Amino acid sequence: EAQVTQNPRYLITVTGKKLTVTCSQNMNHEYMSWYRQDPGLGLRQIYYSMNVEVTDKGDVPEGYKVSRKEKRNFPLILESPSPNQTSLYFCASSPNRGLNTEAFFGQGTRLTVV
Amino acid sequence: GENVEQHPSTLSVQEGDSAVIKCTYSDSASNYFPWYKQELGKRPQLIIDIRSNVGEKKDQRIAVTLNKTAKHFSLHITETQPEDSAVYFCAASIGGADGLTFGKGTHLIIQP
Repeated sequence: EAQVTQNPRYLITVTGKKLTVTCSQNMNHEYMSWYRQDPGLGLRQIYYSMNVEVTDKGDVPEGYKVSRKEKRNFPLILESPSPNQTSLYFCASSPNRGLNTEAFFGQGTRLTVV
Repeated sequence: GENVEQHPSTLSVQEGDSAVIKCTYSDSASNYFPWYKQELGKRPQLIIDIRSNVGEKKDQRIAVTLNKTAKHFSLHITETQPEDSAVYFCAASIGGADGLTFGKGTHLIIQP
């Protein structure tokens, strides 16, 4: 089954404790991205990647890192999480470098930083 | 960069009535306009999209219209049903590397 898989689904952590949210897709998509969803703010892009070893900042990249060592994986790293990073996070992938094609979303990761 | 405004933020309609959600975009180079539906606790999923060379597209009870001159596009849902209750996001893209820019979402409530 074609899908985007995120882990974990839920995470509660403390301020400053490094964490990684994994994202994997099995559709051989070139383009992958991370969004955060906050009430009243919609979906805001954090980082995106057009292909292996090619990543770039989205609209809200501060406090996040990503890597794209393999085509299928695009982990989101929070080196020193803070309470304002409490949010619902979605990974998404698209074929054709994301150019005007459907984005397939993962199931989401609800992160709480205390 | 692209900016997408979406209205209303909340829309309540009676079951069986029609619902219309409107979006405007800022970049005249945008040429792809998808709509996503997000049910409670689930991921956003594409329900319909339109490209700039088309003025209207319909899929059963759902339709999208695009006015390039005015830079706005709308989602129309007819004969609404309880399962239409969800948050709907519009988005726009110029086909660049940064992909889709989303509106803030509309919470559609279908009243029985």
